[in-house]
Amino acid sequence: DAGVIQSPRHEVTEMGQEVTLRCKPISGHNSLFWYRQTMMRGLELLIYFNNNVPIDDSGMPEDRFSAKMPNASFSTLKIQPSEPRDSAVYFCASSLVGGVAYEQYFGPGTRLTVT
Amino acid sequence: AQSVAQPEDQVNVAEGNPLTVKCTYSVSGNPYLFWYVQYPNRGLQFLLKYITGDNLVKGSYGFEAEFNKSQTSFHLKKPSALVSDSALYFCAVFIPGGGNKLTFGTGTQLKVEL
Repeated sequence: DAGVIQSPRHEVTEMGQEVTLRCKPISGHNSLFWYRQTMMRGLELLIYFNNNVPIDDSGMPEDRFSAKMPNASFSTLKIQPSEPRDSAVYFCASSLVGGVAYEQYFGPGTRLTVT
Repeated sequence: AQSVAQPEDQVNVAEGNPLTVKCTYSVSGNPYLFWYVQYPNRGLQFLLKYITGDNLVKGSYGFEAEFNKSQTSFHLKKPSALVSDSALYFCAVFIPGGGNKLTFGTGTQLKVEL
């Protein structure tokens, strides 16, 4: 399996622009998670989906952030408009919850820089 | 509130010496516990987990962890550290019935020196 795939790996944009991050989870997994990691705040859960349905978005910092999962193999995280404080590494992770699984598998991350 | 704590921001150990990275948890019910490692500029990698059964679990790269219910701990250990083990380590907990998410600790930076 190719693992969790994220694109782009690096994104540099100007304040006010729209940014879209993409994620392809591991095939067969039923849960998908978006995280943000910064030196100041550490690792933060933004939102997660079960069977393509958003379950908990309490970690989404503001209305500028939105996430979708139109099908089991694709999810997006959108920031509009972007701000310099959004600069971080954004990770997508997926898991198969049930049985004796539960562990999450992380993608390589997207490093976002907003200038 | 359900939580997991990593009391040490950084652990330093000499290569060849045993290493321990500490994790304690505060949850109701029977937790599922996990360890992850993050190398620079990489995503988190799953190392090992405790769901049920033997309290000593073995994982990738020679790491192991011991679940201690009375002390509510799940410390990560390795008998002989390598310089290549230097990385950021995260403990995490899954609460059955509490949604499908993991709650992560703040991470411990492990530095293994020659």
